[in-house]
Amino acid sequence: EVQLVESGGGLVQPGGSLRLSCAASGFIFGTYAMSWVRQAPGKGLKWVSSLSGSGTSTYYADSVKGQFTISRDNSKNTLYLQMNSLRAEDTAVYYCARANYDTLTGYYIDYWGQGTLVTVSS
Amino acid sequence: EIVMTQSPATLSVSPGERATLSCRASQSVSSNLAWYQQKPGQAPRLLIFGASTRATGIPARFSGSGSGTEFTLTISSLQSEDFAVYYCQQYNKWPPSFTFGPGTKVDIK
Repeated sequence: EVQLVESGGGLVQPGGSLRLSCAASGFIFGTYAMSWVRQAPGKGLKWVSSLSGSGTSTYYADSVKGQFTISRDNSKNTLYLQMNSLRAEDTAVYYCARANYDTLTGYYIDYWGQGTLVTVSS
Repeated sequence: EIVMTQSPATLSVSPGERATLSCRASQSVSSNLAWYQQKPGQAPRLLIFGASTRATGIPARFSGSGSGTEFTLTISSLQSEDFAVYYCQQYNKWPPSFTFGPGTKVDIK
């Protein structure tokens, strides 16, 4: 059974930093691209960042480029999101997600973690 | 940048009735379209990928159709557990980046 368990969320002051973790199990972690998706309170889903299975290729939404860093440790089956210079608008539930590959259409998200809440406030 | 829109924003349906949700892309996304269901306090769940392929374990009452810029999610006979918010999502061959629609809330009439 695929499981994704996020941790590391919490309350942080504007300008602060936080590192989220996502522990994966139930599949061969290093063979899947992984992503972070966030959801502000009462709002819709927004893609944040993705990382190839090897960890060598990274992709970011324009809104977080230069501010967030995605990484992974395949020996620990863990995905990370380092978030710096946090602003109130970064307040959201952050979901870790597995990106599966369909040969006909490409990457799609097939599994999600339960999410971790990040609140940026003074 | 591809923009996804969904209509209606809210759909009121009685249990047992059919629900039809629409999703439109600002430019062609071929069949690179997924649908997700999200209930309050829960993570999204994949329903459909490739515009029309049901994910593992998804009941047959959920079906997806369309290609290019116009897509539809149909729930043939709404069950109580189907009242939720539904998101469409465009995705790519490469890189793995995603654009979501704003969602359609299906509530009880």
